[in-house]
Amino acid sequence: ETGVTQTPRHLVMGMTNKKSLKCEQHLGHNAMYWYKQSAKKPLELMFVYSLEERVENNSVPSRFSPECPNSSHLFLHLHTLQPEDSALYLCASSQSGQPNTEAFFGQGTRLTVV
Amino acid sequence: AQSVAQPEDQVNVAEGNPLTVKCTYSVSGNPYLFWYVQYPNRGLQFLLKYITGDNLVKGSYGFEAEFNKSQTSFHLKKPSALVSDSALYFCAVRDSMDSSYKLIFGSGTRLLVRP
Repeated sequence: ETGVTQTPRHLVMGMTNKKSLKCEQHLGHNAMYWYKQSAKKPLELMFVYSLEERVENNSVPSRFSPECPNSSHLFLHLHTLQPEDSALYLCASSQSGQPNTEAFFGQGTRLTVV
Repeated sequence: AQSVAQPEDQVNVAEGNPLTVKCTYSVSGNPYLFWYVQYPNRGLQFLLKYITGDNLVKGSYGFEAEFNKSQTSFHLKKPSALVSDSALYFCAVRDSMDSSYKLIFGSGTRLLVRP
């Protein structure tokens, strides 16, 4: 248990569905991240939030929409996804303003788009 | 922009032998370097980090890593490998000049320790 919890662990969705991934951290961190891990491009950074403000949007398609309502929660809203979006989505958190500290990762959500 | 390279997709080693997993990096400022391990269907677990000071850092499960500034490398090592060390290993870097706190990962190296 790393203190970062992701739900659901597995998700199967059709291309016309709308779903959301949830991440919650209990570490008192104030920076949160979304990563995509697929066989073709391991560990792509998607979004970074620091103090609830988005500080990085790494050229991610608009069908992925992040939301950070407070420093403990991070969501990834999904709509009209493509089969190539199937991957493991990992959430992480760290302490903003302290770049020398490690990030802690959740277990991930395995997403399959059919 | 910062980047990380892990030149080996897979490293094979016999149990009891020393292992090395290679990592090189590129940053504009000073590097903060990290190693993570991933077991099947799990998230990433932190192993160790280099921030400043002694070039040899020690971490979890008997792993250590050596920072070499001139070669811009941060190789992961272990004196005696265990079968249970078999997993996917990722090197990561933050750039002290980047205020967005991006943590950039290499492509990963699969370590296979045979009995």
